[in-house]
Amino acid sequence: DTEVIQTPKHLVMGMTNKKSLKCEQHMGHRAMYWYKQKAKKPPELMFVYSYEKLSINESVPSRFSPECPNSSLLNLHLHALQPEDSALYLCASSQEPGQGTYGYTFGSGTRLTVV
Amino acid sequence: DQQVKQNSPSLSVQEGRISILNCDYTNSMFDYFLWYKKYPAEGPTFLISISSIKDKNEDGRFTVFLNKSAKHLSLHIVPSQPGDSAVYFCAASAGWDAGNNRKLIWGLGTSLAVNP
Repeated sequence: DTEVIQTPKHLVMGMTNKKSLKCEQHMGHRAMYWYKQKAKKPPELMFVYSYEKLSINESVPSRFSPECPNSSLLNLHLHALQPEDSALYLCASSQEPGQGTYGYTFGSGTRLTVV
Repeated sequence: DQQVKQNSPSLSVQEGRISILNCDYTNSMFDYFLWYKKYPAEGPTFLISISSIKDKNEDGRFTVFLNKSAKHLSLHIVPSQPGDSAVYFCAASAGWDAGNNRKLIWGLGTSLAVNP
């Protein structure tokens, strides 16, 4: 199994809703990432988990709340989002933290629309 | 302040010809460079990388050249195929952060169209 699986693929939510994005990998990767990507822009790092512990939070607003229940799963809980939060949310994983960024494996993303 | 620059937003080439995608950087501490390819509605796919101790890395039809003195790298695709049509992102990394991760700095991407 060499992929990162993200669900759902598409999500439309209202500004008062609470929803979660899910990410799963079974490659034994110990670092997992959440990125946000807007159209015609590069991916923007949000959070990094190393060995199931949050190691980087790129000053992301608290309406985004990450969770890493185990080494294979990464969630992103969403609450009270704004329309400008609409974007493609990408999950990625890599081998042992500190082993280099080559081999980042990205999921296909969740296309989020906030209405 | 864009530390990784891809100055051509788009590029169009004929099938079978060479595609050359360029990337410039400003931070001399960058020691690892990567190219990712992205199709619409999909996540980026790692393509090829190069360490700063090398000036060339080749993988099949893809070759990355690094010119450290000019702070410039390029991705060559030979021969180009219609399936190569995608957005190509250049990314760079400078050592390890406090969490023992390498943080990627991304360019804005170049959209490549390979015409049959």
